[in-house]
Amino acid sequence: NAGVTQTPKFHILKTGQSMTLQCAQDMNHGYLSWYRQDPGMGLRRIHYSVAAGITDKGEVPDGYNVSRSNTEDFPLRLESAAPSQTSVYFCASSTDRSSYEQYFGPGTRLTVT
Amino acid sequence: AQSVTQLDSQVPVFEEAPVELRCNYSSSVSVYLFWYVQYPNQGLQLLLKYLSGSTLVESINGFEAEFNKSQTSFHLRKPSVHISDTAEYFCAVIFTGGGNKLTFGTGTQLKVEL
Repeated sequence: NAGVTQTPKFHILKTGQSMTLQCAQDMNHGYLSWYRQDPGMGLRRIHYSVAAGITDKGEVPDGYNVSRSNTEDFPLRLESAAPSQTSVYFCASSTDRSSYEQYFGPGTRLTVT
Repeated sequence: AQSVTQLDSQVPVFEEAPVELRCNYSSSVSVYLFWYVQYPNQGLQLLLKYLSGSTLVESINGFEAEFNKSQTSFHLRKPSVHISDTAEYFCAVIFTGGGNKLTFGTGTQLKVEL
């Protein structure tokens, strides 16, 4: 199993451009989350999904959209990027809502200029 | 309010010295506690967890943490660090009743020097 994979690893975006960060897991996990990591702030959850077709907002959802059409994939979309969205983004999965162990992907480092 | 505090943003230590990374939380409900490690340019890896049972938990690479309910703490310790332990360490908490939402501390950068 590859676990949780994320693409791309790095990207530079201009203000106002759109982009989709990809997340895929091959562990048949139902629960997927997106986090952003900023210096001195730890990780904060953006959006999450408990199953295909179901998504919900986390702590910092503004400016981001997600969709979950199947079990494996959970893309994060930035419709109109802003410099405040410069961050490292992590996708994490767990078996279900009651599982307390989450597996993190390697991250995407995004810079918005 | 429920929160997680890691007071030390950086901890420098010499190789083979002991280290303690502090984590405190604020909560009126039961908690599950975790330490994650992030090596340079990598994702987070679960180091150890406390869900129930013995309050002292250990990892496979020599770290241990002890849940102290009265002090609301979950400090991470290692008796003798190695240069390869250089990484950022995050304390994380699940507050019961909130599903499996992880609340992270701000992280502690452990730098092991020769």
